[in-house]
Amino acid sequence: DIVMTQSPLSLPVTPGEPASISCRSSQSLLHLNGYKYLDWYLQKPGQSPRLLIYLGFSRASGVPDRFSGSGSGTDFTLKISRVEAEDVGIYYCMQSLQTPYTFGQGTRLEIK
Amino acid sequence: QVQLQESGPGLVKPSETLSLTCSVSGGTINSHYWSWIRQPPGKGLEWIGYIYYSGNTNYNPSLESRVNISVATSKRHLSLRLSSVTAEDTAVYYCARLGAGGMDVWGQGTAVTVSS
Repeated sequence: DIVMTQSPLSLPVTPGEPASISCRSSQSLLHLNGYKYLDWYLQKPGQSPRLLIYLGFSRASGVPDRFSGSGSGTDFTLKISRVEAEDVGIYYCMQSLQTPYTFGQGTRLEIK
Repeated sequence: QVQLQESGPGLVKPSETLSLTCSVSGGTINSHYWSWIRQPPGKGLEWIGYIYYSGNTNYNPSLESRVNISVATSKRHLSLRLSSVTAEDTAVYYCARLGAGGMDVWGQGTAVTVSS
């Protein structure tokens, strides 16, 4: 199985400040078709996860442009340009290059 | 707009079979993959498996001997069966649609407790 490792696991952020979450995979997520099969999800308190970023950098429908994704074959980053109070929750990365799909441990973002 | 709704018994006895349904509304089951994911209390997400609308499945090897996912296209629902459950199967179970990229639609989840 591909192991996904996120850091940090806890991220306190002041509103208006930027935030960055790292996700590392145990093997490259770069497919022969050129796409990187790495997604980011946000699970707000008491809610289901919501897709934020897919294929490494594409924003899902309705996701604010303050969220961006980037990365190489094994190292990926989710950036929030200016954190807002509504961004609190747990962020998960997930690889869908091969089954079983696997998630990172999650990063809890909280407001200072 | 596609919406998913999971349903099933909230309490299952150890060694019995957990059976859940995911109802699809506002869209078609056809031409999509559909996943089940679970989340034990206070823990992270675990992918259980997926099914294509045609019936092809792919399961997490950690659960493969106990899991079955099926689709009833005409009835617009998916089903999850997990046999020989133990307390470790206590979790919130989600169904989700696999879009062109990522799981883009999720149900609200249904909590299942395994206890006698």
